[in-house]
Amino acid sequence: DVKVTQSSRYLVKRTGEKVFLECVQDMDHENMFWYRQDPGLGLRLIYFSYDVKMKEKGDIPEGYSVSREKKERFSLILESASTNQTSMYLCASNRPIFVQPQHFGDGTRLSIL
Amino acid sequence: AQSVTQLGSHVSVSEGALVLLRCNYSSSVPPYLFWYVQYPNQGLQLLLKYTSAATLVKGINGFEAEFKKSETSFHLTKPSAHMSDAAEYFCAVSDSAGGTSYGKLTFGQGTILTVHP
Repeated sequence: DVKVTQSSRYLVKRTGEKVFLECVQDMDHENMFWYRQDPGLGLRLIYFSYDVKMKEKGDIPEGYSVSREKKERFSLILESASTNQTSMYLCASNRPIFVQPQHFGDGTRLSIL
Repeated sequence: AQSVTQLGSHVSVSEGALVLLRCNYSSSVPPYLFWYVQYPNQGLQLLLKYTSAATLVKGINGFEAEFKKSETSFHLTKPSAHMSDAAEYFCAVSDSAGGTSYGKLTFGQGTILTVHP
């Protein structure tokens, strides 16, 4: 079974802090994704990476950056956290092949105070 | 570009009743469609996927979905709801633009299913 592990289930940070969310997958997947989930808005793609050191912006990249130095690890960075970034963050991975489902971690619920 | 619309942000049914969750898609190319379920405080799990092999797709936990090209729909059904089906359900369409888009999904807004005893 594919395992996608997010480092924290719950995180509380202060406005202006630099925040790191970590995600690790164990299936050698090329693609990795970061989503933000808010009630009534579904999942919105922040960034995705299709290879080590490669990334593309998703639908809502403003205020975020990412890092992928190793194939199994994909980090989401909030450069200067703001209260409107309080949300559930989900990481996913898959192979870059048609109809490959994405495999999700359990999510990180981030609160910015 | 593909898009997905889920009709009804909340659906409430009684235990044993039919579950129907609606999903309509927009795509300029033949779509590949998915249904995911999210239980409280968990990530998303794949319920089923449509890959053009058959229009009626069976998934886990007794769920199935039918692809109807003429209606651009991919509604999710289950004949008899269980209390354990209470969750949020997401419909998604695969981005078939090619290149680095392989593997990307566009999600609907989600439907919260409540099951009453």
